[in-house]
Amino acid sequence: EAQVTQNPRYLITVTGKKLTVTCSQNMNHEYMSWYRQDPGLGLRQIYYSMNVEVTDKGDVPEGYKVSRKEKRNFPLILESPSPNQTSLYFCASSLFQNTEAFFGQGTRLTVV
Amino acid sequence: AQSVTQLGSHVSVSEGALVLLRCNYSSSVPPYLFWYVQYPNQGLQLLLKYTTGATLVKGINGFEAEFKKSETSFHLTKPSAHMSDAAEYFCAVSGAPNTGNQFYFGTGTSLTVIP
Repeated sequence: EAQVTQNPRYLITVTGKKLTVTCSQNMNHEYMSWYRQDPGLGLRQIYYSMNVEVTDKGDVPEGYKVSRKEKRNFPLILESPSPNQTSLYFCASSLFQNTEAFFGQGTRLTVV
Repeated sequence: AQSVTQLGSHVSVSEGALVLLRCNYSSSVPPYLFWYVQYPNQGLQLLLKYTTGATLVKGINGFEAEFKKSETSFHLTKPSAHMSDAAEYFCAVSGAPNTGNQFYFGTGTSLTVIP
């Protein structure tokens, strides 16, 4: 089954404790993205990747890191999480930038 | 940066009534345009998209949208609302000039269907 898998689904952590949210897709897609969803703000793109080893900043990259060492995986790293990073995060992949995006189920992160 | 405006953060319609969700974008050059739907506790799902060609685009679940370049709009419609249409709807844009390969979403419209 074609899918985008994010883990974990829920995470509560403390300020400053490094964490990684994993994202994996099994569709051989080139384009992958991370978004955060906040009430009243919709989805905002954090980082995206056009292909392996090619990543770029989206609208809200501060406080986040990504890597794309393999085509299928695109982890999101928070080196030192802060409470303002409490949000719902989505990973998405698409064959190319302007084709249908497939979304993961989301990761609800709370930083206390 | 690209701007995507969805007028009305909450829309309520009666079951069987017309659904109209509005989306305007700021690019002077037609970008790629999308509508996504999000059901509670789920990720987003593509409803329809406009890339080139016919300006009236048909999507899943009876939805359609019309690209109007002169109005920089891409409004979503459905002739007859069903209870199962209750969800959050997002308009999105990519491929606009000077935006690199970024993707921009509107702030979303929550659709309520009244029985």
